Amino acid sequence: AQSVTQLGSHVSVSEGALVLLRCNYSSSVPPYLFWYVQYPNQGLQLLLKYTSAATLVKGINGFEAEFKKSETSFHLTKPSAHMSDAAEYFCAVNGGFGNEKLTFGTGTRLTIIP
Amino acid sequence: GAVVSQHPSRVICKSGTSVKIECRSLDFQATTMFWYRQFPKKSLMLMATSNEGSKATYEQGVEKDKFLINHASLTLSTLTVTSAHPEDSSFYICSALAGEWTYNEQFFGPGTRLTVL
Repeated sequence: AQSVTQLGSHVSVSEGALVLLRCNYSSSVPPYLFWYVQYPNQGLQLLLKYTSAATLVKGINGFEAEFKKSETSFHLTKPSAHMSDAAEYFCAVNGGFGNEKLTFGTGTRLTIIP
Repeated sequence: GAVVSQHPSRVICKSGTSVKIECRSLDFQATTMFWYRQFPKKSLMLMATSNEGSKATYEQGVEKDKFLINHASLTLSTLTVTSAHPEDSSFYICSALAGEWTYNEQFFGPGTRLTVL
């Protein structure tokens, strides 16, 4: 069984400040982990994914995440927030090949303060 | 590459009618597609897994007679909401599973907003 927990349903940061969105996972098999972004009334866009290669994963739009097995975490960060980063962010997990069903976290709404 | 489309993007229907939503993988073949439902300000809930040429696998609590899924080709899956009621109003999102070249990543469609009056 797999699950993800996103701490903080709402996060507000000032433009130019560090963005940190938290995700902790639980998995009985080596996990594949994903971060998606969703803008209003749109589908999901993949920001980045961890597939058991490098633990520090770089994604699009300046985002990155670090897989920490000891902490069962996969937090999403961006050094400097931009107004266009305001959106809903979802962390998700699956079991990789043969177990591709995604389990999503509850989401974190990111607000950027001008 | 790896683009998924959904049609229609929005649909409004009367209670009791049926609505069909199409999900297409435009530039790759997808033996597996997934259908999700998203309530306002909520996360995505997996409804069913759609496999080409076979019956869909529904998640617990999802009425298979209510939400009919057909995956007739490697690029098309359809979700039909039968005898729709206002409580079926939601945002429906599909995804298509790409192959090993993407580490089996799911590519998501833009979603369909269903409103049942």
